[in-house]
Amino acid sequence: AQSVTQLDSQVPVFEEAPVELRCNYSSSVSVYLFWYVQYPNQGLQLLLKYLSGSTLVKGINGFEAEFNKSQTSFHLRKPSVHISDTAEYFCAVSDGGKLIFGQGTELSVKP
Amino acid sequence: EPEVTQTPSHQVTQMGQEVILRCVPISNHLYFYWYRQILGQKVEFLVSFYNNEISEKSEIFDDQFSVERPDGSNFTLKIRSTKLEDSAMYFCASSESSGLYEQYFGPGTRLTVT
Repeated sequence: AQSVTQLDSQVPVFEEAPVELRCNYSSSVSVYLFWYVQYPNQGLQLLLKYLSGSTLVKGINGFEAEFNKSQTSFHLRKPSVHISDTAEYFCAVSDGGKLIFGQGTELSVKP
Repeated sequence: EPEVTQTPSHQVTQMGQEVILRCVPISNHLYFYWYRQILGQKVEFLVSFYNNEISEKSEIFDDQFSVERPDGSNFTLKIRSTKLEDSAMYFCASSESSGLYEQYFGPGTRLTVT
């Protein structure tokens, strides 16, 4: 069965600083990876997804992620964060249609 | 923009009572899902539903749980006899197809069992 590990439960960062949220997945022949964001009291919103092709994936709100097969990683990055990026971020892998989520990373952007 | 809606937003019930959580998926979507998130823990898959039957279910989805699409728009999750450990946020999701397609999530129903 697929699994996902998010290495950091909390990431505090100052506004306009770069950020990287780490995600590792269990190895598989083919893998479809997703990053979702959850703002307070809201549902999960898709940031970006990797299905195939270019290993650098660009998403909404200036986020991007890089698929690294040899490292089995799919880290999320943003070069300059805003206060409004404060939220919980979930990495997920598709396993036969259902999503397997990581534990989540709480990104806290401070002024 | 179409969205998945869920009602109620918060449900409080006593242990042993039955609850029904309701979801209205996006209208042209064919696959429907329930997930739950116990406070402080990861989002966990419960069940997927396609063509009026369960496609897959997790170990959590035991005989106390059932799902139904009673009409062309609603998708429900029933918990027959709630336990304290059923307290969680329950998310409904839908997608056009399986696997490669984005799952759109509703805002969730917070279930509190006392």
